[in-house]
Amino acid sequence: GAVVSQHPSWVICKSGTSVKIECRSLDFQATTMFWYRQFPKQSLMLMATSNEGSKATYEQGVEKDKFLINHASLTLSTLTVTSAHPEDSSFYICSAAVPNEKLFFGSGTQLSVL
Amino acid sequence: AQSVTQLGSHVSVSEGALVLLRCNYSSSVPPYLFWYVQYPNQGLQLLLKYTSAATLVKGINGFEAEFKKSETSFHLTKPSAHMSDAAEYFCAVKRRGNTPLVFGKGTRLSVIA
Repeated sequence: GAVVSQHPSWVICKSGTSVKIECRSLDFQATTMFWYRQFPKQSLMLMATSNEGSKATYEQGVEKDKFLINHASLTLSTLTVTSAHPEDSSFYICSAAVPNEKLFFGSGTQLSVL
Repeated sequence: AQSVTQLGSHVSVSEGALVLLRCNYSSSVPPYLFWYVQYPNQGLQLLLKYTSAATLVKGINGFEAEFKKSETSFHLTKPSAHMSDAAEYFCAVKRRGNTPLVFGKGTRLSVIA
């Protein structure tokens, strides 16, 4: 089946630094990438939707200048958490969409900001 | 807007007992419905999905779910719980088209020996 490779799987960083998370679709082209965030013991909340070559659409309450999303190609989307703070510590997961309406999830990135 | 409600944030069953995790959906159009399982510190694994074909959907690991339009439900069941089934389960709904999944709050399943 289709695979979405998400890296890193976990990252620890100091407060104020930026962290980049990558999601690559292996052997298929993802026209759309959805980015979710999951706080401990909570559900997955959609952060933003990105279409290849277009600006991302952010959900209400998600700061677009803090969570930079780039979807420059059909096989790569990145989420950069800029000037990370402890409250940004969370599990981030991407989901790639293909035209036949299937969705494929990455394995997630656990971000811990000290 | 679409949404799902998972009744019970925590369900505990004995090993070998029936597992029943409840999910009700709200959708103005025929939905696609999903169940995912998440083990601690891991990503999501798709258990099964309903996409308007058969209303009884069989998934992996012995799980199945039945789409009941009259009850707007999509409950997940398994006849006999295993210890390895202990995890967090998420019901999710999706509109047709290039749209994201909307997740319920999740139900934590504990299996007692």
